[in-house]
Amino acid sequence: AQKITQTQPGMFVQEKEAVTLDCTYDTSDPSYGLFWYKQPSSGEMIFLIYQGSYDQQNATEGRYSLNFQKARKSANLVISASQLGDSAMYFCAMREGRSWGNYKLTFGKGTLLTVNP
Amino acid sequence: NAGVTQTPKFQVLKTGQSMTLQCAQDMNHEYMSWYRQDPGMGLRLIHYSVGAGITDQGEVPNGYNVSRSTTEDFPLRLLSAAPSQTSVYFCASSPGSSYGYTFGSGTRLTVV
Repeated sequence: AQKITQTQPGMFVQEKEAVTLDCTYDTSDPSYGLFWYKQPSSGEMIFLIYQGSYDQQNATEGRYSLNFQKARKSANLVISASQLGDSAMYFCAMREGRSWGNYKLTFGKGTLLTVNP
Repeated sequence: NAGVTQTPKFQVLKTGQSMTLQCAQDMNHEYMSWYRQDPGMGLRLIHYSVGAGITDQGEVPNGYNVSRSTTEDFPLRLLSAAPSQTSVYFCASSPGSSYGYTFGSGTRLTVV
């Protein structure tokens, strides 16, 4: 079974509207972390936001927020007030475990977001 | 602050050739890793290191070697290049498990 599932290969949104990118994960470890990355057409990987499994509140970073629903094992990325520069591939990733050495990230296959003017 | 520096940015190899992809970071991060990105596959972990002298295999290690003699450098060696190794390779580093991983700009490798 896939550890990270992103069910939306592509998404379209109008400029200035909000958009939600879906991510579900699969782990039996009580300690894990969830990450979102942005990859524009230039190819670099840009870290957006992090949510730890024990964090009580949903993470927010500027226009990015993470809708963390632990019981449903979902960690959706919400982008408010979309901008043309938000057009990119978005990856959800997970790290499992607390112990030394458990820094490995497992990535989903990504969602291509297109922001229309 | 340069962050994570990967060289070269582009490379074409013939089948059977060997080469080393370089990765260096100047942030004193203990954790470093190599990923490959193929269309429709996301990023897959090749090898990783949790400190100088300590490395381990990831999801797709076959055909690749790594070593970590210093905190700063984490080179990836292709032993005998195959067309299946045509990919974009990313190096990443992190100071800890709760922090974002900083990625290099990538190396686009083509094996013919």
